Amino acid sequence: DVKVTQSSRYLVKRTGEKVFLECVQDMDHENMFWYRQDPGLGLRLIYFSYDVKMKEKGDIPEGYSVSREKKERFSLILESASTNQTSMYLCASKTVFEQFFGPGTRLTVL
Amino acid sequence: AQKVTQAQTEISVVEKEDVTLDCVYETRDTTYYLFWYKQPPSGELVFLIRRNSFDEQNEISGRYSWNFQKSTSSFNFTITASQVVDSAVYFCALSEGPYSNSGYALNFGKGTSLLVTP
Repeated sequence: DVKVTQSSRYLVKRTGEKVFLECVQDMDHENMFWYRQDPGLGLRLIYFSYDVKMKEKGDIPEGYSVSREKKERFSLILESASTNQTSMYLCASKTVFEQFFGPGTRLTVL
Repeated sequence: AQKVTQAQTEISVVEKEDVTLDCVYETRDTTYYLFWYKQPPSGELVFLIRRNSFDEQNEISGRYSWNFQKSTSSFNFTITASQVVDSAVYFCALSEGPYSNSGYALNFGKGTSLLVTP
């Protein structure tokens, strides 16, 4: 069974904190993605990665960075969390044609 | 640039009614892929269907059917005899083909919230 896991379902952080969101897939996929989901805006791409140590900016990369040291793990980093980064964060990995999504992390920044 | 429009923000129907969710897309690519995902209240995105740009055949899967028309750049989704369990947010998405530099990232519409009442 395909599996994408995310380290936390719910997370509460304070403004200015450094936040790590972890995503792990067990399918040996090369491409992995981070999206954020906000009401009325749908899902928007933050960053994606083709392979280990490779990363590309998506549509809304400002305020975020990523790390891909191992093929199965793709981390999203909020260097200094702000209240406008309160959102649902979804990780995905893909075969040639289909993306598999993790359960999401609902992050609240106070 | 690619774009996906789901003009219906919310739809409410009574159980057993048929309902169609609209999706219109824009892309300059000749090779692209279209998707529908379901997001139930639990939050997890559930893959429903993928269609590539060279395959305009309509598809039926149980109560679900999809109508892909390149001439109108639409990929509409119909649920026949809706049920309460169909209540969810439905997303249409577009992915560029192998010659783009997007890594097959998905460009999502804003979603249509479907409420099916008994």
